[in-house]
Amino acid sequence: NAGVTQTPKFQVLKTGQSMTLQCAQDMNHNSMYWYRQDPGMGLRLIYYSASEGTTDKGEVPNGYNVSRLNKREFSLRLESAAPSQTSVYFCASRRATGTDTQYFGPGTRLTVL
Amino acid sequence: AQSVTQLGSHVSVSEGALVLLRCNYSSSVPPYLFWYVQYPNQGLQLLLKYTSAATLVKGINGFEAEFKKSETSFHLTKPSAHMSDAAEYFCAVSDLPGANSKLTFGKGITLSVRP
Repeated sequence: NAGVTQTPKFQVLKTGQSMTLQCAQDMNHNSMYWYRQDPGMGLRLIYYSASEGTTDKGEVPNGYNVSRLNKREFSLRLESAAPSQTSVYFCASRRATGTDTQYFGPGTRLTVL
Repeated sequence: AQSVTQLGSHVSVSEGALVLLRCNYSSSVPPYLFWYVQYPNQGLQLLLKYTSAATLVKGINGFEAEFKKSETSFHLTKPSAHMSDAAEYFCAVSDLPGANSKLTFGKGITLSVRP
């Protein structure tokens, strides 16, 4: 049982390049989330998927797109990367019943030059 | 709208001393409150959560937190710090239960433990 996995672990992009961050969970969870973590800012929600087939914007969605590929997988795409998107990105999932816990992946450290 | 305030960005204690990390929340509905810990270069791990049952919540690694509605607080404590407690700690509030529930995080507090 791997929990929440993310690929890649590290990535360096040039301004204007695109890339997709991958996230998968093997806990049969219904809801999945993408956050970014910046120093002194805590975690901010980018997008979330309450259930398979649905996605919604979070606090900081600009410059990002998401795809809930199936129940297990939730990807985050940067179409044209900018230096302001340099951050650590975390994926999380939860069963989505009551007040259950979000489980986090190990993160992807992205640098945009 | 909900929000979390964690005053100060860094707390330093001696090994064996009391750990107190403060969290105040704002929520228009009865809140659900969480403390997460992040060790260097890792993801977040749940320490404990308050979901309207007992106001004193016990978590992993000897941590506990008390929900005080009158003070809108959910401070994290541990009687005796250990070197392995050095990490970043995040308080978070959830608005509603169910599928559309979202967490709002505080900015985090870095805990250092001196030998």
